[in-house]
Amino acid sequence: SAVISQKPSRDICQRGTSLTIQCQVDSQVTMMFWYRQQPGQSLTLIATANQGSEATYESGFVIDKFPISRPNLTFSTLTVSNMSPEDSSIYLCSAGGSEKLFFGSGTQLSVL
Amino acid sequence: AQRVTQPEKLLSVFKGAPVELKCNYSYSGSPELFWYVQYSRQRLQLLLRHISRESIKGFTADLNKGETSFHLKKPFAQEEDSAMYYCALSEGTYKYIFGTGTRLKVLA
Repeated sequence: SAVISQKPSRDICQRGTSLTIQCQVDSQVTMMFWYRQQPGQSLTLIATANQGSEATYESGFVIDKFPISRPNLTFSTLTVSNMSPEDSSIYLCSAGGSEKLFFGSGTQLSVL
Repeated sequence: AQRVTQPEKLLSVFKGAPVELKCNYSYSGSPELFWYVQYSRQRLQLLLRHISRESIKGFTADLNKGETSFHLKKPFAQEEDSAMYYCALSEGTYKYIFGTGTRLKVLA
């Protein structure tokens, strides 16, 4: 199993600013992911954080808006850049694979 | 396109009553199906996966390929079952498709 620590747990940000969310796993994991959950919506995969290379983004998500770092097998960051109110959402870090996913506690972001 | 549908946003049942949380999927291949649960103030966690064919906390789910369904069932609901339940589909890789979730409220 894996325990994922994610911070901050919540933040209120001004339009046009950026926020970086950190995700720490208590063991080395191959796959780390970032999800978004907009109000009343399902979890949507933003990207897969690849260690040592650029993240793999899903359709509708781009690196300029959501830059991701993965410096090692236990840590990743997601930055939400140039925020607008439409970015208000819960952002979830996840690790695992085809058998099971472990999740962080999420970051609730509100953009004013 | 692959899709997971949970038709009920909210399901309220009385303690001791049977529970069925519906999940239908659209997928052309052989998917793996999961149920994830989020209890109040806790993180999202795996409840069960169809390939294990197990019962967790009294819950079972059977994959019906003919009806493309993976409904979650429990014969007697308990108050501690109150939570948000998400059905998810995996293509056998790391990519998951989640439903919009059903909030289960078990009333005393």
